[in-house]
Amino acid sequence: SYELTQPPSVSVSPGQTARITCSGDALAKHYTHWYQQKPGQAPLLIIFNDRERPSGIPKRFSGSSSGTTVTLTISGVQAEDEGDYYCQSTDSTASHYVFGTGTKVTVL
Amino acid sequence: EVKLAESGGGWVRPGRSLRLSCAASGFTFEDYAMHWVRQAPGKGLEWVSGISWNSGDIAYADSVKGRFTISRENAKNSLYLEMISLRPEDTALYYCAKDPQGTMVDPYFFDYWGQGALVTVSA
Repeated sequence: SYELTQPPSVSVSPGQTARITCSGDALAKHYTHWYQQKPGQAPLLIIFNDRERPSGIPKRFSGSSSGTTVTLTISGVQAEDEGDYYCQSTDSTASHYVFGTGTKVTVL
Repeated sequence: EVKLAESGGGWVRPGRSLRLSCAASGFTFEDYAMHWVRQAPGKGLEWVSGISWNSGDIAYADSVKGRFTISRENAKNSLYLEMISLRPEDTALYYCAKDPQGTMVDPYFFDYWGQGALVTVSA
């Protein structure tokens, strides 16, 4: 089955920049979206259509895309940014919604 | 304010059935596609099923096809998931999620989520 690959974990010091990648063959053809999930909470949409931010999401969250790899960048990381981050897109046949394997962000 | 409230979760034995409900408010429910997404304990997110605004387009993950049935009742602003022949691997927190569009077309994503209903399948 189709998979989106993310690094299991990323560690970053406060104020630094965190980058989380998401790779998948179909990402060049379909938009990718990102969700933040804090412990005990539902996922929250933070980036849609590769690089757009929903209202209320801080500007330090940004997205970019290059071929089959997309990247979520958190600039000036804050302690409150700790949590799990998931990319999401669709498979090559556009028949299913697919999530990435998830990345745990730790703020040192 | 968009609100999605799941209910109907609980503990069931393998092979039994369960029905989840999702009550929606704060938006025009009948205009949007809706989905169920689940998360097994300590694991990642898995899309389960989606339904278009008028129930004309329905899709399932391969892992639940033939066992789960999604439906909606627009007059009651409600989404449902009927689950039969439950297996231990169906144990998860089941989230109701809203689609930003009325049909399941590109771009495919979820703009609002409920808090989830826990389903535990064990002997």
